[in-house]
Amino acid sequence: QKEVEQNSGPLSVPEGAIASLNCTYSDRGSQSFFWYRQYSGKSPELIMFIYSNGDKEDGRFTAQLNKASQYVSLLIRDSQPSDSATYLCAVIKAAGNKLTFGGGTRVLVKP
Amino acid sequence: KAGVTQTPRYLIKTRGQQVTLSCSPISGHRSVSWYQQTPGQGLQFLFEYFSETQRNKGNFPGRFSGRQFSNSRSEMNVSTLELGDSALYLCASSLAPTGSYNSPLHFGNGTRLTVT
Repeated sequence: QKEVEQNSGPLSVPEGAIASLNCTYSDRGSQSFFWYRQYSGKSPELIMFIYSNGDKEDGRFTAQLNKASQYVSLLIRDSQPSDSATYLCAVIKAAGNKLTFGGGTRVLVKP
Repeated sequence: KAGVTQTPRYLIKTRGQQVTLSCSPISGHRSVSWYQQTPGQGLQFLFEYFSETQRNKGNFPGRFSGRQFSNSRSEMNVSTLELGDSALYLCASSLAPTGSYNSPLHFGNGTRLTVT
């Protein structure tokens, strides 16, 4: 089992719709969770991070964390073609001091 | 505020050669981490430096090494290059060591290394 798992996609979403991305992690004691966006040929860009159970909203993005079920999700509301990218979930384990990334989910927003 | 700066952006090397990559963190950031990204393996952690000390190291052979200077700038060196070392090498900086509250990593544009 991979430490951080994501569906590779592509996740195809019509413009204006909500894109829902999921990420599961294996270490129950993980404490910090991050979402990065990576455009093709570019470096990862931090979207948001979440530490506590529940929802955290930032503009059109909402991160949801459920530590009991060991998953973190990202919702993109009013999806735009410019949101087409690969979204990377990253986790810091309880006893670790490194960021472990999932394989990423490719999102395609179609006009 | 300037972002994380990596040089060079592109490198082409031959098997057996060595290479040094450079990273200047965001001003005020004292932690620098290095990652390797390939299509097959995704983002893999190489090592992290904080205050000139290596805090953590990933599962890479000893050919991969790094260091950090007193101004927080960091270099990564790969010796005896192999074809499989072809990848995008990403540097990321943060205010505090990875795992510290409210101190996420910010990535540079990367150095794309091609080994022929």
